[in-house]
Amino acid sequence: SQQGEEDPQALSIQEGENATMNCSYKTSINNLQWYRQNSGRGLVHLILIRSNEREKHSGRLRVTLDTSKKSSSLLITASRAADTASYFCATDANDYKLSFGAGTTVTVRA
Amino acid sequence: KAGVTQTPRYLIKTRGQQVTLSCSPISGHRSVSWYQQTPGQGLQFLFEYFSETQRNKGNFPGRFSGRQFSNSRSEMNVSTLELGDSALYLCASSPETGRAGELFFGEGSRLTVL
Repeated sequence: SQQGEEDPQALSIQEGENATMNCSYKTSINNLQWYRQNSGRGLVHLILIRSNEREKHSGRLRVTLDTSKKSSSLLITASRAADTASYFCATDANDYKLSFGAGTTVTVRA
Repeated sequence: KAGVTQTPRYLIKTRGQQVTLSCSPISGHRSVSWYQQTPGQGLQFLFEYFSETQRNKGNFPGRFSGRQFSNSRSEMNVSTLELGDSALYLCASSPETGRAGELFFGEGSRLTVL
């Protein structure tokens, strides 16, 4: 079973637009992470936000975390064609594993 | 630094056979995790090893097993293969000694069971 659920399942945007995706989870966490996966390849770590943090930025990425609602959002600003990928949230519940959501597939149109 | 290396990248097996997948972590990383990715179930945790000890195991049947060697390299084995075992098997390493931190993933081993 998966810890997280992501919304939307798929997203299509124009180059230059912003993309927002959401993640909800069920249990208490130590941290929440976001990963990107390009078409059947390995996952690449994007950003980690700890349970005592509310917002974090990394380049064009902005992540928020609301532990009271057990939810997180990932915002990609000024999207590029290279941002076309699947994005996964993953939660660390202090049990030596990450639990991944089902992912959001983002398509950036030129 | 070289990344996480998984071998083989692609393999085809028939039902009832067994398969061994190999993972070499990033140099200095002592934690190795394995995940199974399928279109239907998404990314499912298989197991995590640290210093040759399995610290957690996912909800998979006993046909799925793994181990870690003293040089941190890891292998996983699936015996008596079933059609549903067709998947992308991903290995990830981490320098963290405690709770899960950032994971560094390999490109995966894509297994097809016929």
